[in-house]
Amino acid sequence: QSALTQEASVSGAVGQKVTLSCTGNDNNVGSYAVGWYQQFSHGGPKTVMFGNRFSDSRSGTTASLTISGLQPEDEADYYCSTWDDSLSGWVFGGGTKLTVL
Amino acid sequence: QEQLVESGGGVVQPGRSLRLSCAASGFSSSDHAIHWVRQAPGKGLEWVTMISFDGSIQYYGDSVKGRFSVSRDNSKNTVHLQMNSLRPEDTAVYYCARGKVVSLFDIWGQGTLVTVSS
Repeated sequence: QSALTQEASVSGAVGQKVTLSCTGNDNNVGSYAVGWYQQFSHGGPKTVMFGNRFSDSRSGTTASLTISGLQPEDEADYYCSTWDDSLSGWVFGGGTKLTVL
Repeated sequence: QEQLVESGGGVVQPGRSLRLSCAASGFSSSDHAIHWVRQAPGKGLEWVTMISFDGSIQYYGDSVKGRFSVSRDNSKNTVHLQMNSLRPEDTAVYYCARGKVVSLFDIWGQGTLVTVSS
């Protein structure tokens, strides 16, 4: 079980806006910057670059990644991650599979 | 172009050892922490270990503590992951990643596959 909780799957139509969430606690998401990583099938992770269509936010112990104007090339797995004080290590969410309809 | 390239993966029997390397190019790795993150087949990402920019601090995930050790040679812009007492559950693609600020990663390598099997 992952320390950070993400939706297993999210879908949206081309051109729509979708929001992926990452829920933790005060030892991780509530205290440290959260990174978002994109992984296409058969490829390694890449850091999500914000600006243009990708933006991030945080409210309490939940971080969010919002993708506006969804494009077919956005279809991928998305992982969140941050440092965890209680575990003295970095933690990942289980990943969200984004499907573009 | 800033990049990380992993090497050293392969097939190894349970209980044996393997050493992975992560070579940095296009930047000085001595300015950055370096992490190892792995991904078992069909599974999500799992953080393995971090070594600080000067090698003085290391952190390990619970699943590898006591079996894996990380080191670096800044003169060669390289970080090594020594994996001992390997288990079938260590089978994964191992990625190295550059640390950014306290909690983030920015550059990732392409990964190297480690298969632990008899």
